[in-house]
Amino acid sequence: DQQVKQNSPSLSVQEGRISILNCDYTNSMFDYFLWYKKYPAEGPTFLISISSIKDKNEDGRFTVFLNKSAKHLSLHIVPSQPGDSAVYFCAAGGQGGANSKLTFGKGITLSVRP
Amino acid sequence: DAMVIQNPRYQVTQFGKPVTLSCSQTLNHNVMYWYQQKSSQAPKLLFHYYDKDFNNEADTPDNFQSRRPNTSFCFLDIRSPGLGDAAMYLCATSRDLLGGTDTQYFGPGTRLTVL
Repeated sequence: DQQVKQNSPSLSVQEGRISILNCDYTNSMFDYFLWYKKYPAEGPTFLISISSIKDKNEDGRFTVFLNKSAKHLSLHIVPSQPGDSAVYFCAAGGQGGANSKLTFGKGITLSVRP
Repeated sequence: DAMVIQNPRYQVTQFGKPVTLSCSQTLNHNVMYWYQQKSSQAPKLLFHYYDKDFNNEADTPDNFQSRRPNTSFCFLDIRSPGLGDAAMYLCATSRDLLGGTDTQYFGPGTRLTVL
């Protein structure tokens, strides 16, 4: 039973345009959401996160939007650059204690075309 | 640079032959995690150590064990690997058990092949 779903396995966008990566979750107990980025032959690296008390968090070219009622979050990358080509994992978890573990989605492969 | 190191990067073993994967960290983090990731699947948490306290996920097979002899090192032992255990194994650390608020730092992974 997948609690974190990334239904699109891949996305291709033109350099300079916006990339929108989507993620859905089913567990209403999740209250913290993260995006990790993974290059080939490397481990995932933390990119950006958002708490359930917010609906938007921005860090440079990266913005994460959270819609709690729809149990949906998205990562926007503007403008997209070729170096953004990677696998992006959505993850969700609680804020500690018994809910400390993260649940990951399957990942989306983003290709940014020059 | 402080980092999470996994050795070896590629491991080939035979069906039923015990294998040990290694993880070390220079971050001095309290928590170390082991994830299994099969092709095109989400990373799946197997277990974690908070300091010396071992926490096994309910659905982790008994075939998988772990050891943490000190803060820096953590090992994943697969006692009798089956073909279904072929996967990428990711080690991660975090400073504390603060859930999503505490960034997890991942190693590059060990890709295990079972012949």
